[in-house]
Amino acid sequence: QVQLVESGGGVVQPGRSLRLSCAASGFNFRSYGMHWVRQAPGKGLEWVAFIWFDGSEKYYGDSVKGRITISRDNSKNTLDLQMNSLRAEDTAVYYCARDRRYFESQEAIEYWGRGTQVIVSS
Amino acid sequence: EVLMTQSPATLSVSPGERATLSCRASQSVSTNLAWYQQKPGQAPRLLIFGASTRATGIPARFSGSGSGTEFTLTISSLQSEDFAVYYCQQYNNWPRTFGQGTKVEIK
Repeated sequence: QVQLVESGGGVVQPGRSLRLSCAASGFNFRSYGMHWVRQAPGKGLEWVAFIWFDGSEKYYGDSVKGRITISRDNSKNTLDLQMNSLRAEDTAVYYCARDRRYFESQEAIEYWGRGTQVIVSS
Repeated sequence: EVLMTQSPATLSVSPGERATLSCRASQSVSTNLAWYQQKPGQAPRLLIFGASTRATGIPARFSGSGSGTEFTLTISSLQSEDFAVYYCQQYNNWPRTFGQGTKVEIK
């Protein structure tokens, strides 16, 4: 079955960097677009970033553009999120998620990991 | 950015009753609209995609409708396990955007 397991979260000081990873299994990873979605404590869902199945296209949310980079390694079935210049408002649970269908540019998100907690605090 | 607005923020419903949730987009998103359910401490779960198609394993009491800018999620007869927060999301444009959520609580 589809499994997405995030790692790399933790407590980090404002202005520092953090790299999140997502290990994917149970499906043909190299065929699917992948997302990061976050949720601040007690708040709603916020879409963060997307990467096309082959890494050729990437899109970012307005609040993170310029500070965050999404990447993938299809040989290792991993998805990463490099976060720089972290702010208190980046504190959230970060979910790795997969598009519903492969090779589609307009798709809902069907599978989600359990998330990894990021806390930005001095 | 497409702004997604959900209403109401909170819906109080008795078990067995019907719940109607609304989602409005600031510009047309065609039928590229999804609904998700989220329970405390859990990841979201896809309920509806394409505005009206139920995802795999979703009970028939969940239905979606609408196109363009106005969308509705209806839960025909609320079960205890349906009390949760519901989010709409457009996937017509970048960046993808979610509504702020509707909490369905027990009346």
